Amino acid sequence: KQEVTQIPAALSVPEGENLVLNCSFTDSAIYNLQWFRQDPGKGLTSLLLIQSSQREQTSGRLNASLDKSSGRSTLYIAASQPGDSATYLCAPHPFNPKETSGSRLTFGEGTQLTVNP
Amino acid sequence: NAGVTQTPKFQVLKTGQSMTLQCAQDMNHEYMSWYRQDPGMGLRLIHYSVGAGITDQGEVPNGYNVSRSTTEDFPLRLLSAAPSQTSVYFCASSYSGSLSGNTIYFGEGSWLTVV
Repeated sequence: KQEVTQIPAALSVPEGENLVLNCSFTDSAIYNLQWFRQDPGKGLTSLLLIQSSQREQTSGRLNASLDKSSGRSTLYIAASQPGDSATYLCAPHPFNPKETSGSRLTFGEGTQLTVNP
Repeated sequence: NAGVTQTPKFQVLKTGQSMTLQCAQDMNHEYMSWYRQDPGMGLRLIHYSVGAGITDQGEVPNGYNVSRSTTEDFPLRLLSAAPSQTSVYFCASSYSGSLSGNTIYFGEGSWLTVV
């Protein structure tokens, strides 16, 4: 059974700092890994999807890396802003040759990020 | 493009009542799933579907039923509500047919309280 751990559980930083969020997973037999953002009282918004053939993916100030063999992914946020305050969740997509990925995710509990002005 | 739409947004039920949480997507996605989110437990998979007419159980299926009569809709039924089912429920969908690159889209959530 896949288990996902996210460290740290909470992080508070001043505006402008670069920061790294960590995600580790126990079963490295995955297709892809997806990072999400969740604002209080809201649903999950997809930030980045790293495909199995990729080692990293970038979108604006966000960069996510994936090391399947070691069961780790990191989300790097450059020049953090108060608007980045949210909970960040990672979810590996399971590998199943009988079906394509996407239907059954295991989530970590997330990192709650607060960026102070 | 509406994406994944969940209704209702908020609901209060009495113990023993039944209800259905609705989920619809307009992206022609084959895969749809229901998750519940609880403090300290993260998001857990309740049921999922890989296409119309096909459903399967996730990690916490007890007390819930699903059906998938159309590609667009994936309702979640609470048969006899219990206080332990107080939670936030999320519906998700994604494409199939590709071995990689399937972004998963989530609805805005349904907040359910059982008293």
